[in-house]
Amino acid sequence: AQKVTQAQTEISVVEKEDVTLDCVYETRDTTYYLFWYKQPPSGELVFLIRRNSFDEQNEISGRYSWNFQKSTSSFNFTITASQVVDSAVYFCALSEKGTGFQKLVFGTGTRLLVSP
Amino acid sequence: DSGVTQTPKHLITATGQRVTLRCSPRSGDLSVYWYQQSLDQGLQFLIQYYNGEERAKGNILERFSAQQFPDLHSELNLSSLELGDSALYFCASSVGGGPENIQYFGAGTRLSVL
Repeated sequence: AQKVTQAQTEISVVEKEDVTLDCVYETRDTTYYLFWYKQPPSGELVFLIRRNSFDEQNEISGRYSWNFQKSTSSFNFTITASQVVDSAVYFCALSEKGTGFQKLVFGTGTRLLVSP
Repeated sequence: DSGVTQTPKHLITATGQRVTLRCSPRSGDLSVYWYQQSLDQGLQFLIQYYNGEERAKGNILERFSAQQFPDLHSELNLSSLELGDSALYFCASSVGGGPENIQYFGAGTRLSVL
């Protein structure tokens, strides 16, 4: 069965600090997709990134970077030089090809608080 | 703005009542999904429709039902409401229905059952 674990419930940092949000997943499928979403205080869910199981290259987008390691079943998210606007709940999610349909299984989320 | 529109934004009702939540997907998207976000259950997948047909079911109660219309908008009907149904209900849409698709979420409908 698919499962996503975000062990960090809440992280507090001061602006300009780097912060890493952890995501560990479980799946029996060999083809799967990992996602990160951001939920700011306004409540909507904003898509950040998708990674498929065959692409282990790390990705960088501005201050955001993602580290995908199949060996440890992890897909961690790092924010460099954090800003107050980064304050949000961040969700990691997983979908499996074997199901044939798109069912996202979400982790419980990590609340990031960035103070000035 | 994701392009997914959900109405209403807020809904306050009483136990035992029935409500309908509406979702308009992004232009060109054929698949619609419904999720429930509550404090105790987190984000839970409810149901998926693809081009008017039900594609997958998750943890959806029998008191809940959904449909996708020919114009691709979708409605989620919640009946015999209980206090525990109070939650944020999200609609999402994607181009296709497979697991590789990126789901874009609406702003949600916050349901309060009193």
